[in-house]
Amino acid sequence: SQQGEEDPQALSIQEGENATMNCSYKTSINNLQWYRQNSGRGLVHLILIRSNEREKHSGRLRVTLDTSKKSSSLLITASRAADTASYFCALYMDTGRRALTFGSGTRLQVQP
Amino acid sequence: DAGVTQSPTHLIKTRGQQVTLRCSPKSGHDTVSWYQQALGQGPQFIFQYYEEEERQRGNFPDRFSGHQFPNYSSELNVNALLLGDSALYLCASSLRTSGSRDEQFFGPGTRLTVL
Repeated sequence: SQQGEEDPQALSIQEGENATMNCSYKTSINNLQWYRQNSGRGLVHLILIRSNEREKHSGRLRVTLDTSKKSSSLLITASRAADTASYFCALYMDTGRRALTFGSGTRLQVQP
Repeated sequence: DAGVTQSPTHLIKTRGQQVTLRCSPKSGHDTVSWYQQALGQGPQFIFQYYEEEERQRGNFPDRFSGHQFPNYSSELNVNALLLGDSALYLCASSLRTSGSRDEQFFGPGTRLTVL
């Protein structure tokens, strides 16, 4: 499958802890994006990392990309109960379809 | 500045019926993509419209069709509904000249239930 595969499928942590989610893929990409979804509602874009970038930060979010291993990670530092949501990685392929290919997501539960 | 809007919010249909979902893109955007998200799964790309034509299509049958209007808004039509069509349907907009490689802005979705 070309789609990203997130790991773990579910993650439960305490407030204040860090949460790390991983995404692996099989094809060449132009960029990789992370999205957040609360309770089956619309997706919110978190961060985009291009294939020539290795790391990006946005607030409490840190994303890394290793194109040689075809993997990415999303780190949320000092988590809050409000971070409880599903997180998806989405691939924008290097060629072909001009649309995002999503993985099945990681469901994060942050306990207060 | 209005974001992406979708209507209706929820919809209940019976097998065999037809349904039309609507989407208005974010102001300034000209490209609309539709995704289907089954419960517990990630969104799956259905198709993308630009300049009132279908430009890209995912692995969905011809029962799924769409349209884009001159004001860039879009409709998704599904004919002969099946139970398996029950899902959250998401619309996303982007700007073509950006190469559509940048972030897509998603609407809140339409929850379709087929009984």
